[in-house]
Amino acid sequence: GAGVSQTPSNKVTEKGKYVELRCDPISGHTALYWYRQSLGQGPEFLIYFQGTGAADDSGLPNDRFFAVRPEGSVSTLKIQRTERGDSAVYLCASSLTTGGHEQFFGPGTRLTVL
Amino acid sequence: AQSVTQLDSQVPVFEEAPVELRCNYSSSVSVYLFWYVQYPNQGLQLLLKYLSGSTLVKGINGFEAEFNKSQTSFHLRKPSVHISDTAEYFCAVSDRDSGTYKYIFGTGTRLKVLA
Repeated sequence: GAGVSQTPSNKVTEKGKYVELRCDPISGHTALYWYRQSLGQGPEFLIYFQGTGAADDSGLPNDRFFAVRPEGSVSTLKIQRTERGDSAVYLCASSLTTGGHEQFFGPGTRLTVL
Repeated sequence: AQSVTQLDSQVPVFEEAPVELRCNYSSSVSVYLFWYVQYPNQGLQLLLKYLSGSTLVKGINGFEAEFNKSQTSFHLRKPSVHISDTAEYFCAVSDRDSGTYKYIFGTGTRLKVLA
């Protein structure tokens, strides 16, 4: 595709439910990042994939958050037992490689936990 | 740990006036520096980046930024703004030696251009 795509664009769920957020990076981009942007804040790093493996998951807030990238392209961010504090915009970015190359961001998924 | 400070949460400026959006980062380790713009209901778009070389970097839409290593700053400037520049601007830093090149973002500066 032309850019990074994310689905759904909006997700409303109830506290305690499980959600999956999908990211489709730019074709050929080996590096994939997830960030979370809360209202009035800058994006915060969650996890980084190089190929299929999670090379850095130091930003995941707790074990309710998990992400996969089984074939080295599409990635899914999974949140179990959602809490109201999980409400935010979840951003995905990809880059051709690491080493200072710019990250291309998707439009984000706005998650609202009621 | 690296941190990024954007002291100005909001900057109002009249159309055709110059503007400077400030960005300071905490660590003096080797870094890559970026400015992104976020228009309402849109994703982050890269304005410019500093990787190495000349400390004055020119980007899209007439923006430029200057890397100052001694002051750990990377301020964004535009000599004459337009209404269409109204948006949220984010400064981001990436540690060259981290191995992951994840971004650390500032909290953003909302630029409002007034007619």
